[in-house]
Amino acid sequence: EDQVTQSPEALRLQEGESSSLNCSYTVSGLRGLFWYRQDPGKGPEFLFTLYSAGEEKEKERLKATLTKKESFLHITAPKPEDSATYLCAVPGRGYQKVTFGTGTKLQVIP
Amino acid sequence: NAGVMQNPRHLVRRRGQEARLRCSPMKGHSHVYWYRQLPEEGLKFMVYLQKENIIDESGMPKERFSAEFPKEGPSILRIQQVVRGDSAAYFCASSPLSEHGETQYFGPGTRLLVL
Repeated sequence: EDQVTQSPEALRLQEGESSSLNCSYTVSGLRGLFWYRQDPGKGPEFLFTLYSAGEEKEKERLKATLTKKESFLHITAPKPEDSATYLCAVPGRGYQKVTFGTGTKLQVIP
Repeated sequence: NAGVMQNPRHLVRRRGQEARLRCSPMKGHSHVYWYRQLPEEGLKFMVYLQKENIIDESGMPKERFSAEFPKEGPSILRIQQVVRGDSAAYFCASSPLSEHGETQYFGPGTRLLVL
């Protein structure tokens, strides 16, 4: 069974203080990895899809990287509006059954 | 281009009543997924549907829960005889038809509260 573990569970940063979120996964065969952002009371918002080890993608202050066992979401010079829960997920065989981690709750303080 | 739509956004039911949650996928998307999110827990897959077909319902409880995606109209997640443990946020996601893995786009969710 696919497993996704995210760490830390919660992270508090000062505005401008860069950091990284970790997502470790165990899958029978890597078919990709998704990152989502979820704000309180809302649905997950798609950020990135990574398909193979070594792949990197960037969007504004966020950069996602992928290795054979884990993915990192790097946040450079975060702003208060980056505060949210960041979710990592992997698709199962056939892609439809996606397994999510429990997320990292990020708080950026002005 | 409207995103995934879900309604109602909030639903209150008493124990034993039925709950019906509706989901309209993004335009051009033919795959619909339902997930449940309990407080402080991750999203859990429930069911995957295409038009008029249930493809994978391995995450859905076998009793009281059912889902459909008719040829016309939205996808429906139906919970019969609700219990307090059914209180959760239910999210619908959709993706386009593709040979390869496609990103799932989520709706705003329906928050079900069972009294």
